[in-house]
Amino acid sequence: AQTVTQSQPEMSVQEAETVTLSCTYDTSENNYYLFWYKQPPSRQMILVIRQEAYKQQNATENRFSVNFQKAAKSFSLKISDSQLGDTAMYFCAFMKHTGNQFYFGTGTSLTVIP
Amino acid sequence: EAEVAQSPRYKITEKSQAVAFWCDPISGHATLYWYRQILGQGPELLVQFQDESVVDDSQLPKDRFSAERLKGVDSTLKIQPAELGDSAMYLCASSFEPNYGYTFGSGTRLTVV
Repeated sequence: AQTVTQSQPEMSVQEAETVTLSCTYDTSENNYYLFWYKQPPSRQMILVIRQEAYKQQNATENRFSVNFQKAAKSFSLKISDSQLGDTAMYFCAFMKHTGNQFYFGTGTSLTVIP
Repeated sequence: EAEVAQSPRYKITEKSQAVAFWCDPISGHATLYWYRQILGQGPELLVQFQDESVVDDSQLPKDRFSAERLKGVDSTLKIQPAELGDSAMYLCASSFEPNYGYTFGSGTRLTVV
């Protein structure tokens, strides 16, 4: 079974600062995908970033980057130059290479303080 | 930008009543999912369709839940009878290539009283 753990239920960051959200996962799979989704209040979940497990290079998308440590089964999200619009619930998610079901963590509620 | 449409946005129902949710995926997306998100938890898969066929409904409580996607386009999720523990956000999502992620709808927040 796949499990995803987000150990930080809530976090806050000052506007323009950098914040890192943690995620660990447990799997016996060797090939898989990892994702971060953002869920703003009362709005739909939006894909933030995606990482393929067989790629060693960490994914980046503008102000968002990940630190993927396959051996440690760790997949943290770094948000640089935080903006008020980054305030949201962030979910880490795992998907097997051979499947297409997401296994989500319990989420981290991020508040950006002006 | 194409969106996954869901309705209603909010639903309050009494326990033992029937309730239904509707989802219209992005055009051309063969794969459609229904997830349930209980407050304070991450979403969990209820059912997955590939076109009009159910691919995975192993986590769907079949004694009270049903789902269909008759023409392989829009989908309906039904609960009958609703129980207090069914209060949650019901998310629909669709995908063309699931390994690249899904597009989620805004969800239906169900409250059972």
